[in-house]
Amino acid sequence: DSGVTQTPKHLITATGQRVTLRCSPRSGDLSVYWYQQSLDQGLQFLIQYYNGEERAKGNILERFSAQQFPDLHSELNLSSLELGDSALYFCASSVAGGLAGTDTQYFGPGTRLTVL
Amino acid sequence: EDKVVQSPLSLVVHEGDTVTLNCSYEVTNFRSLLWYKQEKKAPTFLFMLTSSGIEKKSGRLSSILDKKELFSILNITATQTGDSAVYLCAVLDNAGNMLTFGGGTRLMVKP
Repeated sequence: DSGVTQTPKHLITATGQRVTLRCSPRSGDLSVYWYQQSLDQGLQFLIQYYNGEERAKGNILERFSAQQFPDLHSELNLSSLELGDSALYFCASSVAGGLAGTDTQYFGPGTRLTVL
Repeated sequence: EDKVVQSPLSLVVHEGDTVTLNCSYEVTNFRSLLWYKQEKKAPTFLFMLTSSGIEKKSGRLSSILDKKELFSILNITATQTGDSAVYLCAVLDNAGNMLTFGGGTRLMVKP
């Protein structure tokens, strides 16, 4: 158990809908990262937040957005869902997110999203 | 575009065998290379390598980085069925923010 929690574990929804995935980082970690893992694309970095502010952006679609709240939990919002958005969405956290040299990212258990 | 390539794609061995997993990378701003093990769900951290030539070891697992040739290997000796998993290699960018993952090597260890 990494200490990173994600809810829900599974989500099934229809095309065109909007969903919110939630992540709580490990105690003491200030940085949260979101990743998408699909069968054809592998594990891909979406976005990083550090202490409430966006720090880095990867291959995140415009239909997706994220935020980190004052209590450091983060939410990933996915809207206008398409079949291709079906994937495992992981959240990871680290102490400082790049500022501390080489701190490690620890992954949560993931949310499996199925878009029908 | 940053690229991380792992080989082989999959591997089937018997308990007690030794395996070597490969990871090569082409990245613009390299800081570290990380290995993760992914069983059913979340990748779990194994090693972080920053310096060339220094072996990191944890039990039967070890890993080394070659920054000149841009690759890393992960060795597992005396494999056990519990080692069956997908092993992921990832490169951390210089800003320390973004991990770029390889496609993984699926290892199956048969009794």
